Amino acid sequence: SQQGEEDPQALSIQEGENATMNCSYKTSINNLQWYRQNSGRGLVHLILIRSNEREKHSGRLRVTLDTSKKSSSLLITASRAADTASYFCATDDQAGTALIFGKGTTLSVSS
Amino acid sequence: KAGVTQTPRYLIKTRGQQVTLSCSPISGHRSVSWYQQTPGQGLQFLFEYFSETQRNKGNFPGRFSGRQFSNSRSEMNVSTLELGDSALYLCASSVAGTGDEETQYFGPGTRLLVL
Repeated sequence: SQQGEEDPQALSIQEGENATMNCSYKTSINNLQWYRQNSGRGLVHLILIRSNEREKHSGRLRVTLDTSKKSSSLLITASRAADTASYFCATDDQAGTALIFGKGTTLSVSS
Repeated sequence: KAGVTQTPRYLIKTRGQQVTLSCSPISGHRSVSWYQQTPGQGLQFLFEYFSETQRNKGNFPGRFSGRQFSNSRSEMNVSTLELGDSALYLCASSVAGTGDEETQYFGPGTRLLVL
């Protein structure tokens, strides 16, 4: 079953603009992760934020987590064409050994 | 370190056949997980192995099985293939598969087409 739900499902922006994707989940979590997938290939891990953290940065990425609202957001600043991909949030299951993914946001960055 | 490798990368089978997919984790990683990705259902967890033992299993029929070897390499098998099994099968490895900082690293996937 899906845990996370990303919003929007698709996003189209111009190079240089910022892209914001949101993720909502249903149950309590230990951590939340964001992954990127280019055109049906493997997933690339972007960032992990723990349940006791509110914000985390990695390069042009900024992730926030609001456990009271069971939501997270991923901000990509100064987007590039190479950022064109699908972005997924994932939470751990109760056993802590499986990732439960949302359906993803498809980001298209045009030059 | 070399990343997670999966073989084969592409596979075409017919209904009723069986298939075996292979995954070699990152050196030193003992946990291997398998996921199925389809346009309709998205990414779904199949199972997770650690030290040759299945620790966790997703909601898939018994036609889907797996195993892990002593060198942490893993295989998954799908018997009596159905059209709906057409998907991208992704393998992921991590050091121990649990814990707050446990990141799963994914391979490129095996794309299976069932005709």
